[in-house]
This record gives sequence, structure tokens and C-alpha cells, in this order.
Amino acid sequence: AQSVTQLGSHVSVSEGALVLLRCNYSSSVPPYLFWYVQYPNQGLQLLLKYTSAATLVKGINGFEAEFKKSETSFHLTKPSAHMSDAAEYFCAVSGIQGFQKLVFGTGTRLLVSP
Amino acid sequence: DGGITQSPKYLFRKEGQNVTLSCEQNLNHDAMYWYRQDPGQGLRLIYYSQIVNDFQKGDIAEGYSVSREKKESFPLTVTSAQKNPTAFYLCASSIGHAGGRPPYEQYFGPGTRLTVT
Repeated sequence: AQSVTQLGSHVSVSEGALVLLRCNYSSSVPPYLFWYVQYPNQGLQLLLKYTSAATLVKGINGFEAEFKKSETSFHLTKPSAHMSDAAEYFCAVSGIQGFQKLVFGTGTRLLVSP
Repeated sequence: DGGITQSPKYLFRKEGQNVTLSCEQNLNHDAMYWYRQDPGQGLRLIYYSQIVNDFQKGDIAEGYSVSREKKESFPLTVTSAQKNPTAFYLCASSIGHAGGRPPYEQYFGPGTRLTVT
């Protein structure tokens, strides 16, 4: 069974600073991986996904993530934080064969200060 | 525009009452899902349905029931047997096994916040 671990329930950065949100996965074979963002009292929006086509995945709003098999990681980064990036971010994993549900991490809340 | 609608946005009920949350999608997706979100616990899967007239329990199905009579609709009933029903409920949909190969990324509705007192 797949699972993901998000390190850090809260991450604080200053506006303009690098954003790094960590996600490690557990899976017997390389899975599919996703990052979602959730603004307060809203649903989740897909930021990006890894489907084995390329290890560096670019998403919306300037975010990207790199799949590293040796580290079983899929960390989310953005070179320069904006105030509008303040939200909760969820990493999710699924298997690659047949019908697969998503398994979500517990989320990381990103706080951006001026 | 295609999307998922959940209604109402906020719902208040007295303890001991059953309540039904609505979820409708016009994305032509086969699969639909219900999640419960509590602070610090991420998303927990309640029920999911891969196709009309079929559904499976998720990780926390006790005290909940669903139906899937139409492809577009997947209502969730929170029964009086659910011990702690106050939470934020999210509905999602995706293509299913019959619609193509994975990955089956999910698209989410705006959520319903249920408060039971």
C-alpha cells in the first residue's frame, strides 16, 4: 500500500523567499504523485502531478516538484513566495495499475509574511 | 463550465438528526468520492464509487451512507450514528478504470461545512 509523509505541519517564509514543502512517499514501485493546494474554506486544486514522463514537473502558479527515486521524495518548491501562496498544501500518492484511489498526506500550512 | 457543486456551503443540525449533503458533477466522470477533513488530519476517505449503482466503503464509513443512482450525483447522508459529525466534507470526482488509464487525479468541489450541536 502506498503512503506519503509531509514533514512539517507549518512552514513560514517571508515574501520573496524560497518555498520548500517536503513530501516523502512509501511504495514498492514508483507511484504517481500529486500536489494539491487548498485555500481557506475551499476545495482542493491540483497544482501538479508526476506520471513518470519527467522527473521535474512544473505546475501552476510557479510551483514545481522533483521526483527523486533514490530519496523517495517529491518536494514542492517555488523560487519566490507571494502573499497569495499562503494556503494548505497536500501531497498525494496513487498506484499505477488498475483503479487507484489517492492517499493524502496530512498537509502543510504555508504562512507568508511581508 | 464543467465542475463539481456541493450544497449547501454551511449546514447546521441538531444532534440525533440525519442530514444529507449534495454533490453533483458535470465532468462526465465515472468515479466519485467523499472525504472528511478535520484540522491536522488531512483528508480521510468515507466512501467512493467507481460506477453508477456501485460504491465501496473507505477508511471511515461508520455512521455514513451513500447512494449512486445517477452518474452525476453522489449524495452523502450523515446519520445519527456518526459520533463526531462536525467537520468539513469534500466531494471529488475522477475518470475511472473504464474511462482510461491512470493516473486518476481527482477534482474537488468547494466543500460543505457541517456543524452539529
